[in-house]
Amino acid sequence: DGGITQSPKYLFRKEGQNVTLSCEQNLNHDAMYWYRQDPGQGLRLIYYSQIVNDFQKGDIAEGYSVSREKKESFPLTVTSAQKNPTAFYLCASSSRLADTQYFGPGTRLTVL
Amino acid sequence: ILNVEQSPQSLHVQEGDSTNFTCSFPSSNFYALHWYRWETAKSPEALFVMTLNGDEKKKGRISATLNTKEGYSYLYIKGSQPEDSATYLCAFIESDDMRFGAGTRLTVKP
Repeated sequence: DGGITQSPKYLFRKEGQNVTLSCEQNLNHDAMYWYRQDPGQGLRLIYYSQIVNDFQKGDIAEGYSVSREKKESFPLTVTSAQKNPTAFYLCASSSRLADTQYFGPGTRLTVL
Repeated sequence: ILNVEQSPQSLHVQEGDSTNFTCSFPSSNFYALHWYRWETAKSPEALFVMTLNGDEKKKGRISATLNTKEGYSYLYIKGSQPEDSATYLCAFIESDDMRFGAGTRLTVKP
């Protein structure tokens, strides 16, 4: 089954702790993306990567970090510097930047 | 900064009604426009990828048009059904940037 997976579905963390959200795809896509969704708002781009070992900041990169060591994987770390980390996080991938994106099921992060 | 606007923010229609909503985007540096449907408890799914001015795409009862010169795309749903209830997102892509609109939330009442 080809697709994009995110884990876990729900995540709880204490304030001040870093947390890493997983995103894996087996679609052989070059581009991968991380979005954040807050109630009543659309998808806001955090980071994206067009190729292994390269990534670009999106609109709201502050307090987040990413890595792209493998084509299949694009983990997102929510650091303690992110002032309001509680949100729904979606990962997506596409063959290249302008192509149709395929989304994972999302991770809902709650910081207590 | 890219500014992508979707209107209306939400829409309630009766089953059988036809409806349409708008995605507005900058008219310069256009590369592509995507439409996605996002049903509750599911992941967004692609509806259309539009690249040329004057493009018209259709999938069943849903169709979309594109005007890159004036910077807008319309999504039409003919004879809305309850299963069409979802948030419809557009994404504007230029050569080195992309931005999603906030979406139009459609509710179709039986």
